[in-house]
Amino acid sequence: DTAVSQTPKYLVTQMGNDKSIKCEQNLGHDTMYWYKQDSKKFLKIMFSYNNKELIINETVPNRFSPKSPDKAHLNLHINSLELGDSAVYFCASSQPLASSYNEQFFGPGTRLTVL
Amino acid sequence: KQEVTQIPAALSVPEGENLVLNCSFTDSAIYNLQWFRQDPGKGLTSLLLIQSSQREQTSGRLNASLDKSSGRSTLYIAASQPGDSATYLCAVRPGYGNKLVFGAGTILRVKS
Repeated sequence: DTAVSQTPKYLVTQMGNDKSIKCEQNLGHDTMYWYKQDSKKFLKIMFSYNNKELIINETVPNRFSPKSPDKAHLNLHINSLELGDSAVYFCASSQPLASSYNEQFFGPGTRLTVL
Repeated sequence: KQEVTQIPAALSVPEGENLVLNCSFTDSAIYNLQWFRQDPGKGLTSLLLIQSSQREQTSGRLNASLDKSSGRSTLYIAASQPGDSATYLCAVRPGYGNKLVFGAGTILRVKS
């Protein structure tokens, strides 16, 4: 009964490969996010989707392409992986900004290592 | 551009002490502020959410305050325990965007 789940938990791959990370939430939220936590543990927003529509793209390289097939899922596809993409990627969800209570809930993270 | 700073970067205290973690933000136009806990190699656990109209929130031994006009929040932990050892992250939701802006965190170690 995990609220926000991500797969895989760990991902080790070679430079130049294409990989995907999946995220699912069962909280009934309309808004989902991808955050990146770099080696210095600093968390930064990448994307935000509301009701399957992209509303934030925080100057992320276009090698990163989020896809939201429905409100409960937000997947992240990364093309031509680079060494600098190594990080922990967190998915999160919340009620929309207009909601009076929009606490964000985070998934367990996916640790991506690019060799 | 909103920036969030957390002080101290690291803190080590003996078990039983009361402690305060500080968070400051540069733009007072925020929608809310959220405190998280992150254990090593784990995800983020939401501790407290304070709406911009609120002054404080309490949950068990935790109390978070918000002074929006001065751009500050504090997380007070009473009677600290070794199980409180973790990284504590402060994040603000700017009034203009549907995202969280995070501080770098405070690494807390409670010694038994």
